[in-house]
Parts: sequence; structure tokens; C-alpha cells
Amino acid sequence: EPEVTQTPSHQVTQMGQEVILRCVPISNHLYFYWYRQILGQKVEFLVSFYNNEISEKSEIFDDQFSVERPDGSNFTLKIRSTKLEDSAMYFCASSDWTGVPLHFGNGTRLTVT
Amino acid sequence: DQQVKQNSPSLSVQEGRISILNCDYTNSMFDYFLWYKKYPAEGPTFLISISSIKDKNEDGRFTVFLNKSAKHLSLHIVPSQPGDSAVYFCAVRSGNQFYFGTGTSLTVIP
Repeated sequence: EPEVTQTPSHQVTQMGQEVILRCVPISNHLYFYWYRQILGQKVEFLVSFYNNEISEKSEIFDDQFSVERPDGSNFTLKIRSTKLEDSAMYFCASSDWTGVPLHFGNGTRLTVT
Repeated sequence: DQQVKQNSPSLSVQEGRISILNCDYTNSMFDYFLWYKKYPAEGPTFLISISSIKDKNEDGRFTVFLNKSAKHLSLHIVPSQPGDSAVYFCAVRSGNQFYFGTGTSLTVIP
């Protein structure tokens, strides 16, 4: 069964550094998402992406965050200058033309020290 | 924002019995309701969904019930199996956003 793949599985970075989290969504999917889950908290929406542009974003997704679909397969989340509170599991998700359901990757654990 | 609430952080059930997981939501404009299952170190896995025009959807051992007047969603698993032990999240859709509950950790005791 097709799946969403995310790399790396774990990223450790120092505060203030830039990180890029990578995702390969399911190939025929059209909607792409980033979510995050801080340890012990709920899964939070960051951003949705459709037709090569951001369709919705949350308050968390400030100017430090950006997303890109540089080619036909990859979908990336960049955090320009990481903060300690960015430490979380980051999940990429995608869906087909119906929009439902979301299919999630296994996540990237980001640790900011 | 507390768009979706799962008030029970944990639930224990004997193998073979029914597991009932509950979820409450606040906004009557949500159009899709979903349940996900999550194991440690993995992403959420889609289980079952229901649109706002229905009140029940069944898939094997899993049944989702939607009570729109009460803004309440539930997932029934019967019979429960030890492999069902995981964290279960409900999710609701509004536009291009999905809101997740905080999860209920289900333990099925053999």
C-alpha cells in the first residue's frame, strides 16, 4: 500500500539553526499538510498546501516557517531559526482529490538544544 | 482552541469485550469526522470516517456513530483484541483543516 515517507526520523539541532524536514507524499495525492505534536499534547495543524500554494495555515505557522514542493514528489517544511519550543514530532500528511482521509507519515522527531 | 475533546485519557477493556471511545466537538459546521489509531514512534493511521450527513458507519469490527444534536462522536470496537491497544484520536474537518482531539489510550487486556 502506498505510504507517506518522512526523513529524517530524528533531527537534533541547535537553537537558531535552520532545519528542513522532508516528506514524500503518496504519488497521486493533491493535498499536503504539516502537523506537529509536542510531547504529551495534541496533534496540531500547521499548514495545508494545494495547487502549489498554501491554502490554510495556523497561528503557529509564523514567518519562521515555510513550505515548498520543489519537484513533483517532495514536500518540505523549513524552520528558519529554531527555538527550544519547536521541539516536537512533525508529521506530514496527504490526501487525494476527495480530501479525506489524511494519510500520515511516521514523523520526524525534532529536538532543539 | 478546544474544537475537539476526548475527555477520557485512558481506557482498559478485556479482550473480546466492546471498547467505546468518545469524542465531543464544538462546531456544527464540521463536515467530516474521523478516527485514527497511533502506535508509539509511528504516525496516526486512519481507521474509519463518517460524513456529517450520516449517523453511522461500519467497517468490520469498527463502527463510528455520529450524534449531531449532541455534537458527539464515538468509536465502537467489538470484539476488542490485544492488538487494538494504542492511542486513538478523533479528528474533525473544516475546510482544509483537520482538528484532532488529545487522544485516548486504549489497553486491551488478554
